[in-house]
Amino acid sequence: NAGVTQTPKFRVLKTGQSMTLLCAQDMNHEYMYWYRQDPGMGLRLIHYSVGEGTTAKGEVPDGYNVSRLKKQNFLLGLESAAPSQTSVYFCASSYPSGALGMNTEAFFGQGTRLTVV
Amino acid sequence: QQPVQSPQAVILREGEDAVINCSSSKALYSVHWYRQKHGEAPVFLMILLKGGEQKGHDKISASFNEKKQQSSLYLTASQLSYSGTYFCGSSSGGSNYKLTFGKGTLLTVNP
Repeated sequence: NAGVTQTPKFRVLKTGQSMTLLCAQDMNHEYMYWYRQDPGMGLRLIHYSVGEGTTAKGEVPDGYNVSRLKKQNFLLGLESAAPSQTSVYFCASSYPSGALGMNTEAFFGQGTRLTVV
Repeated sequence: QQPVQSPQAVILREGEDAVINCSSSKALYSVHWYRQKHGEAPVFLMILLKGGEQKGHDKISASFNEKKQQSSLYLTASQLSYSGTYFCGSSSGGSNYKLTFGKGTLLTVNP
């Protein structure tokens, strides 16, 4: 099994350009997450999804959109890239457990290093 | 809201012990611990779901005090392989599935 696969691994964008980051998981997980990682800031949640067709905002959603049309895929879009969006982006997935749907072990992709110039 | 970790960084000699703390201002449903090596993705260590629960993973263990909204990660007899950044993640504030992380604790183990 591949686990969680992110595409692309590296990308350089010019300010104002748009792009889509793809996250694909083959573990049939319900929950999927997009994080950005910047030095000294840890992992900050951008958007997340608890199932196909559903999305929700995280802590830093501005400037990003997401879609979860298929259970195995979670797309992160940058509408008009800005230098402040230069970061390493991680996708993760997990499955619910118990009656309350508690999230469990999260599996991370290898990350996408995005530079906006 | 991100959970708060302390300390920000720790430097140890091989064989020494360390404690990393994680706290939240909101009620915690669960606490996750992950380790990230430089240039790699975070890797799951353990999850704690009940108040006062403790778990272990090799010589790494953790406790979770639900009432105090705190968790601690204990690394005993540290090894060189323990070096990395440790993140605590939590589901809190009415959401069982929204997973947010602290800013991390950089652990360096020297020979």
